Amino acid sequence: EAQVTQNPRYLITVTGKKLTVTCSQNMNHEYMSWYRQDPGLGLRQIYYSMNVEVTDKGDVPEGYKVSRKEKRNFPLILESPSPNQTSLYFCASSTRTGPRGYYGYTFGSGTRLTVV
Amino acid sequence: GQQLNQSPQSMFIQEGEDVSMNCTSSSIFNTWLWYKQDPGEGPVLLIALYKAGELTSNGRLTAQFGITRKDSFLNISASIPSDVGIYFCAGPFDQTGANNLFFGTGTRLTVIP
Repeated sequence: EAQVTQNPRYLITVTGKKLTVTCSQNMNHEYMSWYRQDPGLGLRQIYYSMNVEVTDKGDVPEGYKVSRKEKRNFPLILESPSPNQTSLYFCASSTRTGPRGYYGYTFGSGTRLTVV
Repeated sequence: GQQLNQSPQSMFIQEGEDVSMNCTSSSIFNTWLWYKQDPGEGPVLLIALYKAGELTSNGRLTAQFGITRKDSFLNISASIPSDVGIYFCAGPFDQTGANNLFFGTGTRLTVIP
């Protein structure tokens, strides 16, 4: 089954303790992205990657790191989490198909992170 | 950055009613996407629009790409309880195709049986 898999689904951690949220896709997609979802703010892009070893900042990159060493994996790293990073996080992947382009991301099921 | 404003923010409707929601942008978009997020899940793509004036349907859903290219509309006909969720509009931030999708703030739909 074609899917984007995030782990863990739920995570409670303490301020300052480094953590990694993993993301893997099995569709051979070039593009991958991380979003955070907060009430009233919709989905905001943190980082995105156009291919292996190619990453760039989205709208809210502060406090996050990513890496793209393999095409299928795109982990999100919080070196020193703070309470304002408590949020619902989504990983997504896509490929461009056809002459018109297709920007539709396939999303994972989300990771709910709480930083206390 | 580009702003995508969705309205209404939330809707409470009776089962069987039709629903309309819209999305406006401060910039011109070349592509509009509509997503639905079920409770506890990630967003799922419903409809993609690629040119001004385009009208596209997906079952009971119909979406239109506004003529000004700064807005889009989503209509749901004869709503059912499983239509409950948050509906997002989205468009690529970088028109050259970086797949940097920018999402609206969402419209939360509640359907009362």
